[in-house]
Amino acid sequence: SQQGEEDPQALSIQEGENATMNCSYKTSINNLQWYRQNSGRGLVHLILIRSNEREKHSGRLRVTLDTSKKSSSLLITASRAADTASYFCATPMGDAGNMLTFGGGTRLMVKP
Amino acid sequence: GAGVSQSPSNKVTEKGKDVELRCDPISGHTALYWYRQSLGQGLEFLIYFQGNSAPDKSGLPSDRFSAERTGGSVSTLTIQRTQQEDSAVYLCASSLGGYGTEAFFGQGTRLTVV
Repeated sequence: SQQGEEDPQALSIQEGENATMNCSYKTSINNLQWYRQNSGRGLVHLILIRSNEREKHSGRLRVTLDTSKKSSSLLITASRAADTASYFCATPMGDAGNMLTFGGGTRLMVKP
Repeated sequence: GAGVSQSPSNKVTEKGKDVELRCDPISGHTALYWYRQSLGQGLEFLIYFQGNSAPDKSGLPSDRFSAERTGGSVSTLTIQRTQQEDSAVYLCASSLGGYGTEAFFGQGTRLTVV
């Protein structure tokens, strides 16, 4: 079963607006990662946030983590048409937490 | 190359045929994953290799699916007697291993069963 679930499943915004995507997970984790996928091919790692961090920034990306609610959010500020992609959260699973499981993703469309 | 390499990039096969998909991970990465992604869907975990440990095969959907990793490097995913529902993009990823480490993905193999 999937560990993480993103919402919304799809999001359409205008260029310049902010985009917020959420991820909920089920079991305790030490970190959570966000990935981006263009055109249904390989995923690219965006950012990793550890369980002792509440917020992390990388350029126009801001990730928050609330371990009490078992949820994370990804905020893309001042969106651009090039941000159009699918975004996935990933959490460790398995006995040693080595395996990554992914949610269903949020498909973001940024209209120019 | 520096990244994860998958081949072929596209594969069209007839129903009932066997197919082999190949993944070359990043050198030195001990962990290797296979995922399957149907059109517009999330990533479905298939199998996970970590070093010399027994692989975690819990995600393989049927006994028609199998995977090997030779010498701790190259991996092959084999689908026997392909069915139309096997059509998907098959993604391979590798990582340094260890808890929740960043995964590096190949560009995937798009499999179409006709």
